[in-house]
Amino acid sequence: NAGVTQTPKFRVLKTGQSMTLLCAQDMNHEYMYWYRQDPGMGLRLIHYSVGEGTTAKGEVPDGYNVSRLKKQNFLLGLESAAPSQTSVYFCASSLLRKSNQPQHFGDGTRLSIL
Amino acid sequence: AQTVTQSQPEMSVQEAETVTLSCTYDTSESDYYLFWYKQPPSRQMILVIRQEAYKQQNATENRFSVNFQKAAKSFSLKISDSQLGDAAMYFCAYRSASSRGGSNYKLTFGKGTLLTVNP
Repeated sequence: NAGVTQTPKFRVLKTGQSMTLLCAQDMNHEYMYWYRQDPGMGLRLIHYSVGEGTTAKGEVPDGYNVSRLKKQNFLLGLESAAPSQTSVYFCASSLLRKSNQPQHFGDGTRLSIL
Repeated sequence: AQTVTQSQPEMSVQEAETVTLSCTYDTSESDYYLFWYKQPPSRQMILVIRQEAYKQQNATENRFSVNFQKAAKSFSLKISDSQLGDAAMYFCAYRSASSRGGSNYKLTFGKGTLLTVNP
């Protein structure tokens, strides 16, 4: 079982460039999430989605956009990358109305903005 | 808003010994779930153990157990017979059980405790 797959695993960008991180899950989960992890900060929620075609802002949404055109995919976009967006990005998914079930995480994407 | 606090940025333990990682949280809700995740150097986020707030019995998973004190809003993780493979960053996380709105399904994480296991 693949679970949650993130691509790419590593990327280096220059300030001002744009890119899209892809998250794919094969567990038929309704909920999907994007987090960023910074040293000493734990994981913080950027955006989330409660189903196909719906997205919502999390704690730190500025500078990011997301789309959920298909249930199994959740895309995170950076329109104009900034050094402050250097981080490790995690995608996660979970079942609807099963809040005692854990979120399943991808392996993360390390993104560096120069 | 809920907050999760892990007051120990780093901990160390000798192999085969027992260590306890602390976690406290702040919430006005009565129904919620608590989790401990492990993040080894490989960067994966691995669920270690979970606890439902409505259950009085502390959760256990093999060498891992929790001490859940609901009134004190405390959720510590005990690792018995520590092994070298237990070395990792450990995150405590809170999740609301409310069905109102999708945001209540998000996890709120503490900042983590880095556990070192000495041979």
